Amino acid sequence: EDQVTQSPEALRLQEGESSSLNCSYTVSGLRGLFWYRQDPGKGPEFLFTLYSAGEEKEKERLKATLTKKESFLHITAPKPEDSATYLCAVQAKGNYQLIWGAGTKLIIKP
Amino acid sequence: DVKVTQSSRYLVKRTGEKVFLECVQDMDHENMFWYRQDPGLGLRLIYFSYDVKMKEKGDIPEGYSVSREKKERFSLILESASTNQTSMYLCASSHGTGNQPQHFGDGTRLSIL
Repeated sequence: EDQVTQSPEALRLQEGESSSLNCSYTVSGLRGLFWYRQDPGKGPEFLFTLYSAGEEKEKERLKATLTKKESFLHITAPKPEDSATYLCAVQAKGNYQLIWGAGTKLIIKP
Repeated sequence: DVKVTQSSRYLVKRTGEKVFLECVQDMDHENMFWYRQDPGLGLRLIYFSYDVKMKEKGDIPEGYSVSREKKERFSLILESASTNQTSMYLCASSHGTGNQPQHFGDGTRLSIL
């Protein structure tokens, strides 16, 4: 069964303390893995798409990486404005639908 | 930038009412999606459409229907609203048949009393 698991559920960091969020997936043929950021009361905002193992994408303090079993979202020297819930989703080959993880709630304390 | 606009941010309706949620996208995307998001349950797909007048059931279609008469507009209809349909409803759109990202609106928080 296709599945996405994100860990941890919640992560509290001090400003400037780097860390990583994990997205483990099981899918019959990966078409794409997507990272989103969601602020309270708003819709998810697209961050990255990764298509194949070994691929990396960067945006400001965020870097996403992909292996055959999992993806990491690395956050370097985070700031309070990086606080949000980060969602991971995968698309299997032949499907329109995305399989969503439950998200990681990231809190950055000043 | 892609813009997905949902007609209402907040909506309060009574049980048994017929409720319409509207979504418009301005990027000529072929695909459009309706999700609901509930605490602890994550994002769940209700319906999606890959072309005008085409629709496919998602994971939780019961109690809902959809309409796509124009490419840019996708409507979600609650035929007879019930309290268990109180939720955040999110509309998304994406381009083509490939592995393109979905872009979301800001959601409609619907309360059924």
